[in-house]
Amino acid sequence: AQRVTQPEKLLSVFKGAPVELKCNYSYSGSPELFWYVQYSRQRLQLLLRHISRESIKGFTADLNKGETSFHLKKPFAQEEDSAMYYCALLFGGGYNKLIFGAGTRLAVHP
Amino acid sequence: DAGVTQSPTHLIKTRGQQVTLRCSPISGHKSVSWYQQVLGQGPQFIFQYYEKEERGRGNFPDRFSARQFPNYSSELNVNALLLGDSALYLCASSLSSEAFFGQGTRLTVV
Repeated sequence: AQRVTQPEKLLSVFKGAPVELKCNYSYSGSPELFWYVQYSRQRLQLLLRHISRESIKGFTADLNKGETSFHLKKPFAQEEDSAMYYCALLFGGGYNKLIFGAGTRLAVHP
Repeated sequence: DAGVTQSPTHLIKTRGQQVTLRCSPISGHKSVSWYQQVLGQGPQFIFQYYEKEERGRGNFPDRFSARQFPNYSSELNVNALLLGDSALYLCASSLSSEAFFGQGTRLTVV
């Protein structure tokens, strides 16, 4: 069955520290993976997608098919990075269904 | 462009009642999806509509139904409300695989 697992509910770091938010997936086909972010009182928005292989706000994520992982990384956390982060898998099957993990709350302290 | 808009923003209903939630997609987007987000969990897929036709349905009971209008706006209906239907209901529109989310409708069933 298709599934996305984010093992940490909360990740707490100090400003300037490296950040890694973990995401593992279970999918039999070729996965298309995303990271969505939700800042306080804002709507859920796309942060990055693996097919674009770009860095957004200093965040990167690499798809590792061998480990079925798509971890989100940033070398130096900023206070404005504090938010809820969701990893999502696109289940094609003829329609666009996103399967989300439970989310990780990132708290960056000054 | 205001992005995806949803109404109402908050709603309180009594068990057994029926509710209708509304969504207007981004101009030009023909696909609308609905998600349910229960506190502490990631969004869970309910429906996708494309060009007024249902393309996909998640694991929700028949009490949940939706439709899409010629202008691509959409309604989600939930009948015979249960306490467990209390959640944030998110609408997303898309042109391709990237989903753009609305602010959501917070439904509380008492």
